[in-house]
Amino acid sequence: GESVGLHLPTLSVQEGDNSIINCAYSNSASDYFIWYKQESGKGPQFIIDIRSNMDKRQGQRVTVLLNKTVKHLSLQIAATQPGDSAVYFCAENERHAGNQFYFGTGTSLTVIP
Amino acid sequence: DTGVSQNPRHKITKRGQNVTFRCDPISEHNRLYWYRQTLGQGPEFLTYFQNEAQLEKSRLLSDRFSAERPKGSFSTLEIQRTEQGDSAMYLCASSLDMRAGEQYFGPGTRLTVT
Repeated sequence: GESVGLHLPTLSVQEGDNSIINCAYSNSASDYFIWYKQESGKGPQFIIDIRSNMDKRQGQRVTVLLNKTVKHLSLQIAATQPGDSAVYFCAENERHAGNQFYFGTGTSLTVIP
Repeated sequence: DTGVSQNPRHKITKRGQNVTFRCDPISEHNRLYWYRQTLGQGPEFLTYFQNEAQLEKSRLLSDRFSAERPKGSFSTLEIQRTEQGDSAMYLCASSLDMRAGEQYFGPGTRLTVT
């Protein structure tokens, strides 16, 4: 099967700093990618998505970068806040192959006040 | 609250028993997904409905698992003859067709098989 993984299982940042969470994927046919945030005891929450025809997409305080050449995805969080502390997952989908979304293992982000 | 709801939130059962979980998606969402999540892992896709039609099932899904969405609204996930390896968080998510990746997840049902 395909795998989606994260380089760093844990990340600690100071409040106000920028955070970068990385994700590697192995299915070169994947063409749709999503970042989710999961707080303790809750289901994942959609953050931002990007299609493979784009290299960058910005949201509110978040930016996703996609490098298809090396099959790498990153999530940048600007001015990280304590409420950003959570586990972050990337997920991939090959739209023409169906509606299965494959999630990575996750990175735990801790924001230090 | 118009989010995705799941019941029960927790279920403890003995090995060999059958269990059924319910998911109520966001009302206007026609897509519904079931996932399983174990500690320290990301959600693992189990099955997907578009309206009442079950269109995809994970090849890893045992025949002990069955899901329904009879009227295209709520869905149930049944596990027959539970095994200890079935212990996990079972998550339901829903989305619109045009925003398939923007899935709204419920809080999950935590299953413990003793």
